[in-house]
Amino acid sequence: GIQVEQSPPDLILQEGANSTLRCNFSDSVNNLQWFHQNPWGQLINLFYIPSGTKQNGRLSATTVATERYSLLYISSSQTTDSGVYFCAVVGGTSYGKLTFGQGTILTVHP
Amino acid sequence: DARVTQTPRHKVTEMGQEVTMRCQPILGHNTVFWYRQTMMQGLELLAYFRNRAPLDDSGMPKDRFSAEMPDATLATLKIQPSEPRDSAVYFCASAPRTDTQYFGPGTRLTVL
Repeated sequence: GIQVEQSPPDLILQEGANSTLRCNFSDSVNNLQWFHQNPWGQLINLFYIPSGTKQNGRLSATTVATERYSLLYISSSQTTDSGVYFCAVVGGTSYGKLTFGQGTILTVHP
Repeated sequence: DARVTQTPRHKVTEMGQEVTMRCQPILGHNTVFWYRQTMMQGLELLAYFRNRAPLDDSGMPKDRFSAEMPDATLATLKIQPSEPRDSAVYFCASAPRTDTQYFGPGTRLTVL
């Protein structure tokens, strides 16, 4: 099946710093989503982005499907951004099944 | 604000007992997914339904797990008998066709 690798595994920032999270995938995808899992365990949709670029406030994402990677940018980070960020993809023949990466653990210090 | 709901939010049970988890998908979504999250395996798909029909349950241990959709507003995941290795957070998600999947808050299961 499709493989999803996220980097870095851990990231520690001071409030106000910017960061870039990366997601590499091993095959063509029909769907790519970025999630934030907050300290209470809730999985929050950030972006549905199988290709192209999107922005939502301080967050933006870019997926280059032909090169099989996606990037999540967080600008002016806040302590509430702390948590785990997951990239998940639906492979070309997976009919809706999301395969998740192992996540990036982000800690933002005040 | 439409959202996926799951009950119970927490469940502690003893090995051998039956566990039933329930999910109410977002109204109008015709695809429902069950995922499990553990420290060792991360997030993995157990089963999913489209228009209430099971499409893929290959991620589910067949001997003890079962998933059903009695109607369009209810999905259930049952474990019988439960084992300590089933301890995990179980998420339900719903989507319109194969579009963005929206996750519920999860059921945290502890099997003693």
